[in-house]
Amino acid sequence: AAGVIQSPRHLIKEKRETATLKCYPIPRHDTVYWYQQGPGQDPQFLISFYEKMQSDKGSIPDRFSAQQFSDYHSELNMSSLELGDSALYFCASSSQDREAEQFFGPGTRLTVL
Amino acid sequence: AQTVTQSQPEMSVQEAETVTLSCTYDTSESNYYLFWYKQPPSRQMILVIRQEAYKQQNATENRFSVNFQKAAKSFSLKISDSQLGDTAMYFCAFIQGAQKLVFGQGTRLTINP
Repeated sequence: AAGVIQSPRHLIKEKRETATLKCYPIPRHDTVYWYQQGPGQDPQFLISFYEKMQSDKGSIPDRFSAQQFSDYHSELNMSSLELGDSALYFCASSSQDREAEQFFGPGTRLTVL
Repeated sequence: AQTVTQSQPEMSVQEAETVTLSCTYDTSESNYYLFWYKQPPSRQMILVIRQEAYKQQNATENRFSVNFQKAAKSFSLKISDSQLGDTAMYFCAFIQGAQKLVFGQGTRLTINP
C-alpha cells in the first residue's frame, strides 16, 4: 500500500538559510499535518491543511510557512533557520472517512549548523 | 486544552514477559480517539493500536491490548509475550475529530534477551 512520502529525508543547512520540506500524502487523503520532533521530545503539532486550506495552526514560528497544493502535496518553508530548528519533521495524512487516523511519513531530519 | 501524560520515562523487561505502559489524559470532550504509536530507532512513527472513546470494549491487536478506563481518563497498553523487536519509544496520543494529535512525553521500552 502507498504510504506518505517525504523529501528530502535528510537536510543540512547553515544558520539563517532557508529550507523547503515536501510531503506527498497517501492517494485520496485530503488532510495533511506537520509535526516537529526535537531530540528526546514528543512530536509537536505545527500546522494542518484540509482541501488546500489551512485548518489548524499550532506552535509554528512566524519564520515558517506552509501550503497545500492542488494535487494535495504540501510544502513547509522555513526561513532564517536557527540552531533550535534542528529536528525531525513529520508529515501525516488522513482521509475524511477515517478522519482521526493519521498515517505518518518517514520524516525529514533537518540539521542546522 | 487536552493533555496527555506518560509517567514512566523508561521501562525494561525480559523477552517473553508481559509489560504495561501507562497513560492518562485530560479532556472535557466526550467523543475522541486514543492511540499508541511506536517509534523504533529508525524514528518512523508506527500506529500500534487505536481506541474510540464511545466504544466500551478494549481494543486488541495481536499481542497488543489496551485497558481503557474512560471515567478515570486512563489508557494503558499491554504487550504480551514481548519480543526484541518491541524495543522502541512508545507514545500515547489523543485526538478529537480531524484535529491535531496531542502526544504524551513517551516511554522508552527496552526488551532484554
